[in-house]
Amino acid sequence: EIVLTQSPATLSLSPGERATLSCRASQSVGIYLAWYQQKPGQAPRLLIYGASSRATGIPARFSGSGSGSDFTLTISSLEPEDFAVYYCQYSNNWPPLPFGGGTKVEIK
Amino acid sequence: QVQLVESGGGVVQPGGSLRLSCAASGFTFSSVGMNWVRQAPGRGLEWITFIRYDGSRQVYADSVKGRFSTSRDNSKNMLYLEMNSLRPEDTAIYYCAKEGPAAAGKAFDHWGQGTLVTVSS
Repeated sequence: EIVLTQSPATLSLSPGERATLSCRASQSVGIYLAWYQQKPGQAPRLLIYGASSRATGIPARFSGSGSGSDFTLTISSLEPEDFAVYYCQYSNNWPPLPFGGGTKVEIK
Repeated sequence: QVQLVESGGGVVQPGGSLRLSCAASGFTFSSVGMNWVRQAPGRGLEWITFIRYDGSRQVYADSVKGRFSTSRDNSKNMLYLEMNSLRPEDTAIYYCAKEGPAAAGKAFDHWGQGTLVTVSS
């Protein structure tokens, strides 16, 4: 079964800085990797699918990269509304569909 | 627009049962697979079950296998989660989530607002 490990657990940055979040899979997942953003008290929101494609309405400052077992979510310049928790997920036709443990991006 | 509305959460004693519902609208419900995802207080997301668009296949996480059952009624645009033999560690917000199109790698493109289940004596 696929296990996703996200790092770091917490990222402390200032608005305007670049954020780089990592997601590593225990085995190759091809490009079947999605990223979600979750703010307190809200449901998760899809940001990236297929490792690098932005979902509808997602700003261009969010980008995803990687394939196989190593993936990165980059936020080029943090806006105040970007401080949240980010999860990666193995997304495919064939469940199970596990999530990573999450990375919290907090204001420094 | 797509809407997913969960209901049925509440407080239940250990060993008890509960049935969650998810009302779907704004898309062709009978054409897409659906999932349940839960989040324990202060913890991360945990995928727990998937049901195929026609209900012919269900897959469960090991943590709920044999205790939880997912079903759907495509005539009513409804998704269900039957939860039995509930444990304190099942305490969580439960979300229903719609799978996106194949071009989106089946990522979960819409989520409900969640319903809270508390298992406590």
